Amino acid sequence: AQKITQTQPGMFVQEKEAVTLDCTYDTSDQSYGLFWYKQPSSGEMIFLIYQGSYDEQNATEGRYSLNFQKARKSANLVISASQLGDSAMYFCAMTYYTGTASKLTFGTGTRLQVTL
Amino acid sequence: ETGVTQTPRHLVMGMTNKKSLKCEQHLGHNAMYWYKQSAKKPLELMFVYNFKEQTENNSVPSRFSPECPNSSHLFLHLHTLQPEDSALYLCASSQGQEETQYFGPGTRLLVL
Repeated sequence: AQKITQTQPGMFVQEKEAVTLDCTYDTSDQSYGLFWYKQPSSGEMIFLIYQGSYDEQNATEGRYSLNFQKARKSANLVISASQLGDSAMYFCAMTYYTGTASKLTFGTGTRLQVTL
Repeated sequence: ETGVTQTPRHLVMGMTNKKSLKCEQHLGHNAMYWYKQSAKKPLELMFVYNFKEQTENNSVPSRFSPECPNSSHLFLHLHTLQPEDSALYLCASSQGQEETQYFGPGTRLLVL
């Protein structure tokens, strides 16, 4: 069964510093997609970055980069130059295909607090 | 991201009430989803619609009844809910089922 594990319930980082949020996954599929979403206190789930299992280069989107290590089944999110507005819950997710539908399974999330 | 809207944003209902949640996507997507997010639990997929056809019902109790009249609109009809159904209900859409899902702001539901 597909599973996403986020072992850091909470993280603190100082403004302007970089932070890495951990994500490991378990799947027997050869083809899958990995996502990171940000959820502020308002509740909306905001898409940040995507990595395909066959992509050879790590994905980057502005200050976000995904450190994809396929052999270790890890997909850590790196946020550079943290800002106060980055304080939120961050979820790692993975798509998998059931035969009839493609599903997205989420981890339990990491709460990031950016401090002055 | 204002491509997916949800109404109402907040809802309080009694266990005997009937209410509906509405989701609308303005992204031209073909797949739509309902998720439930309870406190301290991962997001749970409830339903998937692809080209208006339901392709997934994740063992959701029948007191939740989805409706997808077209690819842009998705409803979740609620009746005789239980207090444990109190949660944030998120709608999402994607171009295809394996594409990136974009979420709405959610409806915070409280069942008394």
